Amino acid sequence: GEDVEQSLFLSVREGDSSVINCTYTDSSSTYLYWYKQEPGAGLQLLTYIFSNMDMKQDQRLTVLLNKKDKHLSLRIADTQTGDSAIYFCSVMDSNYQLIWGAGTKLIIKP
Amino acid sequence: EPEVTQTPSHQVTQMGQEVILRCVPISNHLYFYWYRQILGQKVEFLVSFYNNEISEKSEIFDDQFSVERPDGSNFTLKIRSTKLEDSAMYFCASSNLADTQYFGPGTRLTVL
Repeated sequence: GEDVEQSLFLSVREGDSSVINCTYTDSSSTYLYWYKQEPGAGLQLLTYIFSNMDMKQDQRLTVLLNKKDKHLSLRIADTQTGDSAIYFCSVMDSNYQLIWGAGTKLIIKP
Repeated sequence: EPEVTQTPSHQVTQMGQEVILRCVPISNHLYFYWYRQILGQKVEFLVSFYNNEISEKSEIFDDQFSVERPDGSNFTLKIRSTKLEDSAMYFCASSNLADTQYFGPGTRLTVL
């Protein structure tokens, strides 16, 4: 079945760009998502990209999709302390189920 | 902005007891889902529900689990006889079409 992998931690300085990476295995995935989870909170949809797109930009967020390498990334420009959270990569499989990565904890250094 | 709500935020129960977790999906959405996240582990799909019936379920969703849409607004997950390993965060989600899913804040279930 589908598997989604992310690194567990990313540490960046405030004001720098953060790039969170994700790889997946199922090339038939149609929608790919990034969700954000702040401490004690639920899963907040940040952005998504459809599989026929290479890039999507939404204010400080840029999503890049490399279908050949099955690689998805989320770039956060000008990272702020409020961006501290766990970021989940999630991929929709052929049964419309979301398959999740383990989440990347983004740590912001002053 | 419409959002998915879940109650309670935290449920503590004794092993073997029944629990019902409640969700109010976004009002015009047609597809409903339950996921769980055991502490320190990945979010896992449990079940999807459409047109008043289960459309997909995972192998986690065994006979002790059931879902119901008792009225036009609520979507519930029942665990008949809770086990220690059912302790997790349970997330409800809804979508308009079978695409982007919006999640509630979750219910933390603790089984003692």
